[in-house]
Amino acid sequence: GAVVSQHPSWVICKSGTSVKIECRSLDFQATTMFWYRQFPKQSLMLMATSNEGSKATYEQGVEKDKFLINHASLTLSTLTVTSAHPEDSSFYICSAARLAGGYNEQFFGPGTRLTVL
Amino acid sequence: QKEVEQDPGPLSVPEGAIVSLNCTYSNSAFQYFMWYRQYSRKGPELLMYTYSSGNKEDGRFTAQVDKSSKYISLFIRDSQPSDSATYLCALSLIKAAGNKLTFGGGTRVLVKP
Repeated sequence: GAVVSQHPSWVICKSGTSVKIECRSLDFQATTMFWYRQFPKQSLMLMATSNEGSKATYEQGVEKDKFLINHASLTLSTLTVTSAHPEDSSFYICSAARLAGGYNEQFFGPGTRLTVL
Repeated sequence: QKEVEQDPGPLSVPEGAIVSLNCTYSNSAFQYFMWYRQYSRKGPELLMYTYSSGNKEDGRFTAQVDKSSKYISLFIRDSQPSDSATYLCALSLIKAAGNKLTFGGGTRVLVKP
């Protein structure tokens, strides 16, 4: 099967600091990775689409200078929350996409819970 | 109006019952339909994928798509307590790997022993 990992699984930081979250596809190459945010009891909200070697495409309303995305290789994408504030506390989930069996299949990571104090 | 509507639940059923979940959508351009299961504090995992209208069965799970009504369903037979989770429908316009998914809000399901 296709496995996507995220690191760290949870992080607590002080307001004003930056936090980096890694997303790795462990057994396949993903040209496209996606970053989502999920608040309690709500669905996934797409933040940005990340393509290897190019700039990420951000969804409307997502601050690109606050949520820095780097997709340096076919197996690694990173999300950096810069100058984090309590309202950035959330569950961040990445997915890695591959074309399998003729359809767009996204494999999700286990998520990273960010708490900003 | 949201692109994809899904009843948030919670849907509570006794063990062994059939769980019936559904989503409606407004954009007839959606071509690919998926159901994901998400346990609390975990990432979603793909359960079923369908392309055309009709039924698709996989073990205890049956997915139905009615493109004319813009309505998709997921049925879980012989439900187990381990099926307690949030179920998300996800729709895609095209099959390209880079195409983003549009998610429903998710339905919380609780299967009671």
